[in-house]
Amino acid sequence: AQTVTQSQPEMSVQEAETVTLSCTYDTSENNYYLFWYKQPPSRQMILVIRQEAYKQQNATENRFSVNFQKAAKSFSLKISDSQLGDTAMYFCALGSYNTDKLIFGTGTRLQVFP
Amino acid sequence: DVKVTQSSRYLVKRTGEKVFLECVQDMDHENMFWYRQDPGLGLRLIYFSYDVKMKEKGDIPEGYSVSREKKERFSLILESASTNQTSMYLCASRLRTGTTYEQYFGPGTRLTVT
Repeated sequence: AQTVTQSQPEMSVQEAETVTLSCTYDTSENNYYLFWYKQPPSRQMILVIRQEAYKQQNATENRFSVNFQKAAKSFSLKISDSQLGDTAMYFCALGSYNTDKLIFGTGTRLQVFP
Repeated sequence: DVKVTQSSRYLVKRTGEKVFLECVQDMDHENMFWYRQDPGLGLRLIYFSYDVKMKEKGDIPEGYSVSREKKERFSLILESASTNQTSMYLCASRLRTGTTYEQYFGPGTRLTVT
């Protein structure tokens, strides 16, 4: 069975600082992909960043980057220069090309303080 | 831009009532999903549909049914609402083929059953 674990229920960071959210996963698939989704308070969930497992290079999207460690089955999200608008619930999700489903972690609530 | 809309943001129903939650997407996506989101449990898949009139049970289908008569619309039905179905319900859609595997989410319906 595929599983996703987010061990940090809550985190906080000061504006302009850097924060890293952790995610570990387990899968027997060889071909899979990983997402980080962001759910701001009372707003729609949106995709932050994606990583395909066959790609060795870590994905980056502006201030967001991942540290993808395939052997360790780890997929952490780094947010640089944190902004107040980064305050949200962040979900790590695992998918495979053999199924239409995503497996989500339990989420990390991030609070950015001024 | 992909748009996924849900019929209500907030809904209050009584125990035993039949409840319909509607979801509409405007991007001709083949896959549609219903999740429930509870604190500490993340997103759990209730049902998904990979085509019109096609459906598949997710991880927690008990007490729910779905209907997909048209490609753009996916309905979640609570046949007899119970208090343990009080939750946030999220709809999502996704292209089945191609390299885009991202799920696009609606704003959510917060259902309270009293």
